[in-house]
Amino acid sequence: KAGVTQTPRYLIKTRGQQVTLSCSPISGHRSVSWYQQTPGQGLQFLFEYFSETQRNKGNFPGRFSGRQFSNSRSEMNVSTLELGDSALYLCASSPPGQASTQYFGPGTRLLVL
Amino acid sequence: AQSVTQPDIHITVSEGASLELRCNYSYGATPYLFWYVQSPGQGLQLLLKYFSGDTLVQGIKGFEAEFKRSQSSFNLRKPSVHWSDAAEYFCAVGNDNYGQNFVFGPGTRLSVLP
Repeated sequence: KAGVTQTPRYLIKTRGQQVTLSCSPISGHRSVSWYQQTPGQGLQFLFEYFSETQRNKGNFPGRFSGRQFSNSRSEMNVSTLELGDSALYLCASSPPGQASTQYFGPGTRLLVL
Repeated sequence: AQSVTQPDIHITVSEGASLELRCNYSYGATPYLFWYVQSPGQGLQLLLKYFSGDTLVQGIKGFEAEFKRSQSSFNLRKPSVHWSDAAEYFCAVGNDNYGQNFVFGPGTRLSVLP
């Protein structure tokens, strides 16, 4: 079974721009979560989607948003980028009935200049 | 609120030596506990998990972890470390409801000397 895939793997943007990251979960997984990883803050939960609905949300400003499609693929969007948004963005999917067991993708590394 | 501490920021061991990475958690209910490993530039790989039952859990790559409720600990062990084990290791705690209840520790970076 193919793992979680994320595109693009690397991205460079400038302040004020917006960015969209994509995540395809493992086949059969309907729960998709997003995390931001930075050296200073570590791994921080952004949000979780299940069956096209945001089920949980972390403590991030409204500039961070996401959505999930009917095929369980998910996108996250960050608007009005700030330098502090530079991070590794990780997506994870969970099998049915095992919400806490997450399988991670390789991440998208975003650099904001 | 739940929290996870990993007291060791960086550990160096020689190849072939045994390894123990410490993890302590604070959680109001019975926790679900996880260990993940992250190689440089990569995502996180699930090593093992504990939900209930036997407190000694076997994982992939020869790792095991022991849940000790009295000490609120879930330490990761490996009897003989390989150079390829050099990576960052994260302990995490959650529950079946997931969401912001899922918390990662700060990580322990493992270096392996030849």
